[in-house]
Amino acid sequence: EVKLVESGGASVKPGGSLRLSCIASGFNFSVVWMTWVRQSPGKGLEWVGRIKSRSDGAATDYSPPAKGRFFISRDDSNTTVHLNMLNLRIEDTGTYFCARVHFGGWSGYNEVALDVWGEGTTVTVSS
Amino acid sequence: QSALTQPASVSGSPGQSITVSCIGTSSDIGAFNLVSWYQQHPGKAPKLIIYSVSRRPSGVSGRFSASKSDNKASLTISGLQPEDDADYYCASYRIATTFPGVFGTGTKVSVL
Repeated sequence: EVKLVESGGASVKPGGSLRLSCIASGFNFSVVWMTWVRQSPGKGLEWVGRIKSRSDGAATDYSPPAKGRFFISRDDSNTTVHLNMLNLRIEDTGTYFCARVHFGGWSGYNEVALDVWGEGTTVTVSS
Repeated sequence: QSALTQPASVSGSPGQSITVSCIGTSSDIGAFNLVSWYQQHPGKAPKLIIYSVSRRPSGVSGRFSASKSDNKASLTISGLQPEDDADYYCASYRIATTFPGVFGTGTKVSVL
């Protein structure tokens, strides 16, 4: 079964740090690109960032709210992708989803087509 | 980063067809054939229902169809069913000054 399971969500104070993890199973993790998406309570979806496969340099890109504070890494041996979040702000509160980027064969990776999602993990930033 | 614009809500009766619009710019929807649509039920993760403008992943009902014209993408749900009651988000690849993807604002589809 193709599956993603997030963990690490918690309640933290502003300025704190947190590390989220996403364990993948059921597919060849080392060749896929992975993304983190978040959703504030009652709000829409927002990209956090993406990490490419190691063969594509494990390159990362981040959305403006995440850039410089959030860092994505991958551990292919443990089929895990991590999201390290520093200097957390109240507006970072929400559910964080990891998702797999769809690979379309000859057409390559479709960065906006996320074909497998985890259930999400909740981050609360509050004083 | 400006989100793509969707109507806040759309409603229809069972069996009817509805269309959800997603308006972008010449830097995103108008520039690439990389538009996706997601369905999200309350408390659940989003589910990919359309990618590359009009392609359906395996297992997604044929009642879902989509298209694009200029800077506007559209999702049509035919033969509306109670289980279609959910939030729907479009997403597009874009000419990136920051991150290459952008989501829509989301549309609540209500089955009356």
